[in-house]
Amino acid sequence: GAVVSQHPSWVICKSGTSVKIECRSLDFQATTMFWYRQFPKQSLMLMATSNEGSKATYEQGVEKDKFLINHASLTLSTLTVTSAHPEDSSFYICSAKRHSNQPQHFGDGTRLSIL
Amino acid sequence: KQEVTQIPAALSVPEGENLVLNCSFTDSAIYNLQWFRQDPGKGLTSLLLIQSSQREQTSGRLNASLDKSSGRSTLYIAASQPGDSATYLCAVFYGNNRLAFGKGNQVVVIP
Repeated sequence: GAVVSQHPSWVICKSGTSVKIECRSLDFQATTMFWYRQFPKQSLMLMATSNEGSKATYEQGVEKDKFLINHASLTLSTLTVTSAHPEDSSFYICSAKRHSNQPQHFGDGTRLSIL
Repeated sequence: KQEVTQIPAALSVPEGENLVLNCSFTDSAIYNLQWFRQDPGKGLTSLLLIQSSQREQTSGRLNASLDKSSGRSTLYIAASQPGDSATYLCAVFYGNNRLAFGKGNQVVVIP
């Protein structure tokens, strides 16, 4: 149990395009979902935390107008990178948890490449 | 702010040797510590989770220890195999729903 699906797994697009990444908990309801970004040979950095039905909480230095997060249901959260530029190229990983004292379960990540 | 450090950053070992991966964290007020495996271009696979009240966890050839007071954890992988080649990430759960990751130990097991 506790499977998290992330889609798409790889995106290549032109600069200025907006890209949406989906994160789904397939077999459980996730009260909280998290979005991370990972640059090559670096650790995962938390971008934002989202709770179903409420606004996401962004980490310091993460532009909320650029990285739009929607957690519309207990099984789906989306991250939209608006007007993406080459510096936004990275590996984006989501995670989900059932309750506050439960571990996070991770998706397989999305490789985003902006040309 | 919680800082997680993993040493060594990279290592290569011949098949059959035991692996020892180290993780240290600066703030001992953690709820739990987790070891993950990450293959190139892939997401995270949870290997072991140690609650703050526990000293170690074991799963097959893997054993992870936790010394919360000194801010350290060690992951042991016995009798390494080429399939163990991957990056191993250490993460601590602390504060308000926060998970802090190290940069990883990149492991290559040579056949």
